Amino acid sequence: GPKVLQIPSHQIIDMGQMVTLNCDPVSNHLYFYWYKQILGQQMEFLVNFYNGKVMEKSKLFKDQFSVERPDGSYFTLKIQPTALEDSAVYFCASSLGLPFSGNTLYFGEGSRLIVV
Amino acid sequence: AQKVIQVWSTASRQEGEELTLDCSYETSQVLYHLFWYKHLLSGEMVFLIRQMSSSTAKERSGRYSVVFQKSLKSISLVISALQPDDSGKYFCALWEPASSGSWQLIFGSGTQLTVMP
Repeated sequence: GPKVLQIPSHQIIDMGQMVTLNCDPVSNHLYFYWYKQILGQQMEFLVNFYNGKVMEKSKLFKDQFSVERPDGSYFTLKIQPTALEDSAVYFCASSLGLPFSGNTLYFGEGSRLIVV
Repeated sequence: AQKVIQVWSTASRQEGEELTLDCSYETSQVLYHLFWYKHLLSGEMVFLIRQMSSSTAKERSGRYSVVFQKSLKSISLVISALQPDDSGKYFCALWEPASSGSWQLIFGSGTQLTVMP
């Protein structure tokens, strides 16, 4: 089936440093998403993105977070500066359209971020 | 308060049996969608089946089907003829309009299934 690729799969970073998580969505998809899952907890919505803009973001999407997809390349989540509580697995997803049009989200394998 | 609740954190069955995974949800929206996903060991979340709030059809996809009780705000996933490969964590998710007019997908906490040969 359609595949969403995430790079890196794991990253350890010092607190205060910047990190960029990359997502290669399904090729013809137009909507992109990031979710955050802290160990042992539920996966929680961070942000969705369409046509170069953030459509919706949750309260977990702090000011230190930003997303972009320059020129149709990777969809990225940047955290600058990182904090200890940013340690989590970050899942990227993409969809062709919105679910009420019969579309579904396809998720990547996650990027495990450890902030020390 | 949690919007999507999966009461059972674990379940186990024998190969060949049928299993029902329960999920309840909270929403005040008229139009919403419900999904079931399986979380693989690789980390990937795989879409299994979808139920639209406006649909009365009994959704089915291969060995997966759902029991949708809209008035009770309940959506159960039924997996028939269980196989050991069905072992994994199953997530229920609600897609509803957000206050800004956009949409967001809200996940339950998941149920870890073990199928024994």
